[in-house]
Amino acid sequence: NAGVTQTPKFQVLKTGQSMTLQCAQDMNHEYMSWYRQDPGMGLRLIHYSVGAGITDQGEVPNGYNVSRSTTEDFPLRLLSAAPSQTSVYFCASSYNQGQTEAFFGQGTRLTVV
Amino acid sequence: KQEVTQIPAALSVPEGENLVLNCSFTDSAIYNLQWFRQDPGKGLTSLLLIQSSQREQTSGRLNASLDKSSGRSTLYIAASQPGDSATYLCAVLSGSARQLTFGSGTQLTVLP
Repeated sequence: NAGVTQTPKFQVLKTGQSMTLQCAQDMNHEYMSWYRQDPGMGLRLIHYSVGAGITDQGEVPNGYNVSRSTTEDFPLRLLSAAPSQTSVYFCASSYNQGQTEAFFGQGTRLTVV
Repeated sequence: KQEVTQIPAALSVPEGENLVLNCSFTDSAIYNLQWFRQDPGKGLTSLLLIQSSQREQTSGRLNASLDKSSGRSTLYIAASQPGDSATYLCAVLSGSARQLTFGSGTQLTVLP
């Protein structure tokens, strides 16, 4: 039972580069979300999706793009990386629009230089 | 805007002690409250989920209570062990976005 799988685990980008953080879940969860975790700031919601084809912005969406073409996958795209996007990124999923237990991936540690 | 505060920020106790971690939130209109554990360099593991209509949940040595009207939750850990050392995060689900709002966590160290 894989749960929520994130790739890559570590990434170094140069300012201005773009990349996609992958997230996949095998629990048939309809609700998926992306958070970033920064020291002293806690976890903050970037984007979320309540089902395939439906996405919306969270608290800190600027500089990020998402799509949800399937129930299983919810990739996060950095359009033009900036040092301020250096962070640890977590993908999460849950059943029933977030009103049940949330499962988190192991995280992607991103450094933008 | 929902805000979640956790006290204390860090706690160090000898093995075997019972301990309480505190969480408070500003908006009582929540769907649920969830306690997570995070080990260094790892993801979050869900420990307990309390729905807004519930007062407490128990799992093994862990007991979490919820007082929605006062905006407070406590996580009680009985007979602490060194393996309990981790950061404990409290999060509330609220708003139209069904957003989880997290506290900054309590870093727990249980000394052998």
